[in-house]
Amino acid sequence: DTEVTQTPKHLVMGMTNKKSLKCEQHMGHRAMYWYKQKAKKPPELMFVYSYEKLSINESVPSRFSPECPNSSLLNLHLHALQPEDSALYLCASSQVGTALRGTIYFGEGSWLTVV
Amino acid sequence: AQTVTQSQPEMSVQEAETVTLSCTYDTSESDYYLFWYKQPSSGEMIFLIYQGSYDQQNATEGRYSLNFQKARKSANLVISASQLGDSAMYFCAMSFNAGNNRKLIWGLGTSLAVNP
Repeated sequence: DTEVTQTPKHLVMGMTNKKSLKCEQHMGHRAMYWYKQKAKKPPELMFVYSYEKLSINESVPSRFSPECPNSSLLNLHLHALQPEDSALYLCASSQVGTALRGTIYFGEGSWLTVV
Repeated sequence: AQTVTQSQPEMSVQEAETVTLSCTYDTSESDYYLFWYKQPSSGEMIFLIYQGSYDQQNATEGRYSLNFQKARKSANLVISASQLGDSAMYFCAMSFNAGNNRKLIWGLGTSLAVNP
């Protein structure tokens, strides 16, 4: 069983709605990630938090707003999304630092449909 | 530039057989790690196995082994005694440092079908 849990599993939202995706990990990791994945493609990195601070934003549109309330939680706030934002959103976590050995562990993902 | 290539978009194998999924990579770094992930249709991205560039022995985790040939820059995943539940998309990824953060470069994936 994955140690990174994501809720909700499925979300359908209108283009004017505000919703949030939530992620929690209890592995003591201090780096957390949001990825977006379209069908039959590899994941694309959106954001990285390191020690609860945003360290990487891969030029993601402002309609996606990440938040890291504490070392175990990561949220992705969604507002005024477009149908092309429909995708699988994956949360992940890992150890921090330059050591490359640390594996990045993923959650089960949240399937988002924008109508 | 750092790249990861999975040359087999789709593969199929009979149950109980051994299958090898191809992954080649290119990097100018001497210190890097290669990972394999499995993604069933449910969406979860499951970590399978990793190999470090300085590791002397090929990694093994249960039915999964990684055939690492550094000179050829290849890191093939070998699945032995394949099972129906192995049907999934498999991604190869390479880890590199971006400042104090870790990033993954992904291959395009191989869709594996295990037939009864």
